[in-house]
Amino acid sequence: DTAVSQTPKYLVTQMGNDKSIKCEQNLGHDTMYWYKQDSKKFLKIMFSYNNKELIINETVPNRFSPKSPDKAHLNLHINSLELGDSAVYFCASSQVSLFDYEQFFGPGTRLTVL
Amino acid sequence: GESVGLHLPTLSVQEGDNSIINCAYSNSASDYFIWYKQESGKGPQFIIDIRSNMDKRQGQRVTVLLNKTVKHLSLQIAATQPGDSAVYFCAEIDGSGGGADGLTFGKGTHLIIQP
Repeated sequence: DTAVSQTPKYLVTQMGNDKSIKCEQNLGHDTMYWYKQDSKKFLKIMFSYNNKELIINETVPNRFSPKSPDKAHLNLHINSLELGDSAVYFCASSQVSLFDYEQFFGPGTRLTVL
Repeated sequence: GESVGLHLPTLSVQEGDNSIINCAYSNSASDYFIWYKQESGKGPQFIIDIRSNMDKRQGQRVTVLLNKTVKHLSLQIAATQPGDSAVYFCAEIDGSGGGADGLTFGKGTHLIIQP
């Protein structure tokens, strides 16, 4: 069974369009995240949600809007796409506790903006 | 800002040899560290973790060492195999934030296993 899944795997679109990436986890975790990995493989946190509540918004342009309809889902909507948005976006989840901060990552969505 | 970094972008080792991947971190408040492995086209995969109250932790063929004095973390892989070829990331978190703050990743080291 896939623990953290994302759709689509690949997304190619024109500048100025609006697109969404979906993420679902079946691990029963209470916290979900979005990370962006650039062309140099650098991974950076964008958002985190705990029990559907936004915890972190790391200086991400407001064109990016995460939405968590329930604990198992965290979707990422991007308005007015720009060339610099091209990257691989990873969703992750964790069950936050005092003893364990391991995050489980999805397979990634490669976004290409033309 | 504070970040986690790696010393070498690429490391090439012979199959069967041991490899050591290094990482420096700057946030002295970090209390939890993880090594992730990322194969081409896949998401990061957990390898091993260590808390700041430990200086060594061993897994299957992997050992993580933590030196808090110099803020240095290393991953040792014993008897490397072709399947170990991947990009390795260290990541850290300051647990005082409740754990939902997200991981801070280093730049990654590409480990290449030569036959």
